[in-house]
Amino acid sequence: KQEVTQIPAALSVPEGENLVLNCSFTDSAIYNLQWFRQDPGKGLTSLLLIQSSQREQTSGRLNASLDKSSGRSTLYIAASQPGDSATYLCAVRGGADGLTFGKGTHLIIQP
Amino acid sequence: ETGVTQTPRHLVMGMTNKKSLKCEQHLGHNAMYWYKQSAKKPLELMFVYSLEERVENNSVPSRFSPECPNSSHLFLHLHTLQPEDSALYLCASSQNRAQETQYFGPGTRLLVL
Repeated sequence: KQEVTQIPAALSVPEGENLVLNCSFTDSAIYNLQWFRQDPGKGLTSLLLIQSSQREQTSGRLNASLDKSSGRSTLYIAASQPGDSATYLCAVRGGADGLTFGKGTHLIIQP
Repeated sequence: ETGVTQTPRHLVMGMTNKKSLKCEQHLGHNAMYWYKQSAKKPLELMFVYSLEERVENNSVPSRFSPECPNSSHLFLHLHTLQPEDSALYLCASSQNRAQETQYFGPGTRLLVL
């Protein structure tokens, strides 16, 4: 059974810092990996999708990498802003149709 | 705006009540999903529908009953729920089942008393 782990569970940094969020998964037989952000009381917003054949994806200040063989992904956030404060979720898509999620990293950017 | 809407946004119900959650997607997608997000647990997949046909049921108790009357609408019918069913219920959709980005609605926050 696929398991997804996210480290750290919570992170608080001053505005302007670059930071890295980590995700690991136990079964490397995945179709893709997706990073989401979730704001309080709201649904999930997709940030980046990396297909199993890809190594990384970039969108603005966000960069996500995927090392499928080692079961790891990182989300890099450059020049963090208070608006980046949210919970960041990593999810993998394996043989099943749905996604398997980690518990998330709760991120606070201090102004 | 994600194009996926859910109603109601909040729901309080007793254990003997019957209620339904509604999800509607305006994206022209063919696959829809129900997820459950409980406190301190990862999001869990409950049901998958593709072209209005249920293709996955992740050992969900029968007190949860999904319905997909067309490709744009998905319901989750609730009856005789337990307090531990209190959670955020999220609906998602994707163009097709495989290798596609899933788009999520805002969720329904359910409290069972």
